[in-house]
Amino acid sequence: NAGVTQTPKFRVLKTGQSMTLLCAQDMNHEYMYWYRQDPGMGLRLIHYSVGEGTTAKGEVPDGYNVSRLKKQNFLLGLESAAPSQTSVYFCASRSQEGSPLHFGNGTRLTVT
Amino acid sequence: AQSVTQLDSQVPVFEEAPVELRCNYSSSVSVYLFWYVQYPNQGLQLLLKYLSGSTLVKGINGFEAEFNKSQTSFHLRKPSVHISDTAEYFCAVSRANTGGFKTIFGAGTRLFVKA
Repeated sequence: NAGVTQTPKFRVLKTGQSMTLLCAQDMNHEYMYWYRQDPGMGLRLIHYSVGEGTTAKGEVPDGYNVSRLKKQNFLLGLESAAPSQTSVYFCASRSQEGSPLHFGNGTRLTVT
Repeated sequence: AQSVTQLDSQVPVFEEAPVELRCNYSSSVSVYLFWYVQYPNQGLQLLLKYLSGSTLVKGINGFEAEFNKSQTSFHLRKPSVHISDTAEYFCAVSRANTGGFKTIFGAGTRLFVKA
């Protein structure tokens, strides 16, 4: 049982390049989330999804897009990377209200 | 909107000493409260959660937390820490009965356990 799997683990981009981060969960969870973690700021919610085919904005959505074409996958896209997007990105999922979040191991992204 | 404040960014403590990591939240409605732990280069793992009922909640690794509604606090405690408890700890709140069940995190408290 893999839980939540994120790929890639590390990536270095130049300013203006694009990329997609993939999150896959095998727990049949309805709800999926993308967070970014920056020193001293905790985790901030970028986008989330309440089910297949749905997405919604979180606290810091600008510069990111997401898609949830399949229930088990939640993709995070950066169309034109900026140095301010250098961060560690975490995907998480949960089954229902009140249930805890299950996290992936993160993707460390550096934009130069 | 809800928010979470972790009052200490770093807490150094000697091995076998007790520790308390403080967390306050703001919300005008019912909430669910969580503590997560993050070891280096890993994702977050659940330590414990409060949904309803008894205000004293016990979690894994000997940690416990007490929900205080009047003070809007959810402080994490352990009576005797080990070196292996060195990690970053996050308090989080999820507002009950909202679409998406979004969870908001505090800035984290880095616990250093010294020999």
